[in-house]
Amino acid sequence: EAQVTQNPRYLITVTGKKLTVTCSQNMNHEYMSWYRQDPGLGLRQIYYSMNVEVTDKGDVPEGYKVSRKEKRNFPLILESPSPNQTSLYFCASSSISLAGALRGDTQYFGPGTRLTVL
Amino acid sequence: GENVEQHPSTLSVQEGDSAVIKCTYSDSASNYFPWYKQELGKGPQLIIDIRSNVGEKKDQRIAVTLNKTAKHFSLHITETQPEDSAVYFCAASVAGNQFYFGTGTSLTVIP
Repeated sequence: EAQVTQNPRYLITVTGKKLTVTCSQNMNHEYMSWYRQDPGLGLRQIYYSMNVEVTDKGDVPEGYKVSRKEKRNFPLILESPSPNQTSLYFCASSSISLAGALRGDTQYFGPGTRLTVL
Repeated sequence: GENVEQHPSTLSVQEGDSAVIKCTYSDSASNYFPWYKQELGKGPQLIIDIRSNVGEKKDQRIAVTLNKTAKHFSLHITETQPEDSAVYFCAASVAGNQFYFGTGTSLTVIP
């Protein structure tokens, strides 16, 4: 089954304790991305990756790190979590089927990770 | 950066009526506009998208229109059904790189 998986699904941690949220996709997608969802703010993009070893900042990258060493995995790292990073996090992936200005393809989202930082 | 505004934030319609959700964007370079549906406890799911070289796209009961001059795009759902109840998000992107989402519309279809 084609899917994006995230682990853990729920996490409660304390301020300053490093954590990693994993994301994996089995669709051989080039593009992967992380979003956070907060009430009243919609989804905001944290980082995205167009392919292996290529990552770029999204709209809200502060306090987060990512890596793309393999095509299928795109972990989100919080080196020193703070309470304002309490949120619902989504990983997404898509193929890059078109070139140039018309590029843009269906993003498949994972089930989400609810993170609470105390 | 891009700014996407979405209205209304909540929408209630009677079953069988139409629902319209509107979004505006600020960056004229944006050229890909997807719409997502999010059900409770799940991740968003694409329902329809449109690219800037097209003014309208339809898929059964769902249609999207794009006005590049005015920088706005709209989602139209006809013959609404209770299972259409969900939160809907619009988004804008330049060539599928960075994505900017609206703040969402909670649609309730009343049986």
